[in-house]
Amino acid sequence: EAQVTQNPRYLITVTGKKLTVTCSQNMNHEYMSWYRQDPGLGLRQIYYSMNVEVTDKGDVPEGYKVSRKEKRNFPLILESPSPNQTSLYFCASRWGVNTEAFFGQGTRLTVV
Amino acid sequence: AQKVTQAQTEISVVEKEDVTLDCVYETRDTTYYLFWYKQPPSGELVFLIRRNSFDEQNEISGRYSWNFQKSTSSFNFTITASQVVDSAVYFCALSEVSGSARQLTFGSGTQLTVLP
Repeated sequence: EAQVTQNPRYLITVTGKKLTVTCSQNMNHEYMSWYRQDPGLGLRQIYYSMNVEVTDKGDVPEGYKVSRKEKRNFPLILESPSPNQTSLYFCASRWGVNTEAFFGQGTRLTVV
Repeated sequence: AQKVTQAQTEISVVEKEDVTLDCVYETRDTTYYLFWYKQPPSGELVFLIRRNSFDEQNEISGRYSWNFQKSTSSFNFTITASQVVDSAVYFCALSEVSGSARQLTFGSGTQLTVLP
């Protein structure tokens, strides 16, 4: 089954404790992205990647890191999480700019 | 820079009413793609439709229809005879193809509540 898999689905952590949210897709898609969803703000892009080792900042990249060492994986790293990073995070992948994105199930992160 | 505006934050209708969700976009590209997604209360994002900038034909799929007008930079979504199961957040999105703007940009979403 074609899918985007994110883990974990729920995470509560403390300020400053490094964490990684994993994302994997099995559709051989070139493009992958991370979004955060906050009430009233919709989905805002954090980072995106157009291929292995090619990443670029989205609209809200501060406080986040990503890497794309393999085509299928695109982890999101929070080196020093802060409470303002409490949000619902989605990973997405797609073939190209002219195709729809497939989304993971979401990761609800709470930073206390 | 590309931008998508969904001015309606929340809409509430009674079952069987028709409802239109508005989407206005901004882009400097002549080639671009527009999308609608649905996010039901369970939280997943469900793709509904894709439209490219060269195809201004309206589309109908069951109770859903989409009206794309380049002249007004709008891509509106109408649900006919709404049902309770249509209650969800609906997102409009834009994808450009040129330069570094190869992002998929979303609007802020419209929360639709269909009352029984």
